[in-house]
Amino acid sequence: DTGVSQDPRHKITKRGQNVTFRCDPISEHNRLYWYRQTLGQGPEFLTYFQNEAQLEKSRLLSDRFSAERPKGSFSTLEIQRTEQGDSAMYLCASSRGLTLSGANVLTFGAGSRLTVL
Amino acid sequence: DQQVKQNSPSLSVQEGRISILNCDYTNSMFDYFLWYKKYPAEGPTFLISISSIKDKNEDGRFTVFLNKSAKHLSLHIVPSQPGDSAVYFCAASANDYKLSFGAGTTVTVRA
Repeated sequence: DTGVSQDPRHKITKRGQNVTFRCDPISEHNRLYWYRQTLGQGPEFLTYFQNEAQLEKSRLLSDRFSAERPKGSFSTLEIQRTEQGDSAMYLCASSRGLTLSGANVLTFGAGSRLTVL
Repeated sequence: DQQVKQNSPSLSVQEGRISILNCDYTNSMFDYFLWYKKYPAEGPTFLISISSIKDKNEDGRFTVFLNKSAKHLSLHIVPSQPGDSAVYFCAASANDYKLSFGAGTTVTVRA
């Protein structure tokens, strides 16, 4: 297994366009997460899936954002009518849930960087 | 609302010496704390974790200390090596799925 894969790695778009990011998690992980990271900040939680069910969405996820995980495997994050404030690194992570230590350890992908002009 | 704070944006340390990274939190419901390390152009990678029922966890050169009464944790790296130069994020969880991250501390290890 090659870890969590994200595509594309970098997307430059004009304001008002739609963009879609794809995430392929580690195959045996049933949990999938999307985070957003802006310059000088840590990752911020956006949404969480357990298998195909989207169990929580952050208030940061406006109605222009939609995430899906149709068959409980890969996930897509779509941003409609992009704004300059959407420029950020979008990180995907996966996990199998609580480990023996009790911590839920997330494995992150390298991220998809969005630049909105 | 920033529930996890890393007040030192950067730290410079000489190779072989100790690196101490600090993290404060405000949510008393946090029950697990994790440290992640991030190299440029890569995603954060898990380093070490600690449960709120413990005050210390050690893994090789890395030790995390937790002071619940002060809502403070720290990561010690001994001895520091050039490959430790990275951004370190403190993260905390109050449930079994969502992590809240600090803003990160950039560590530079000087030869």
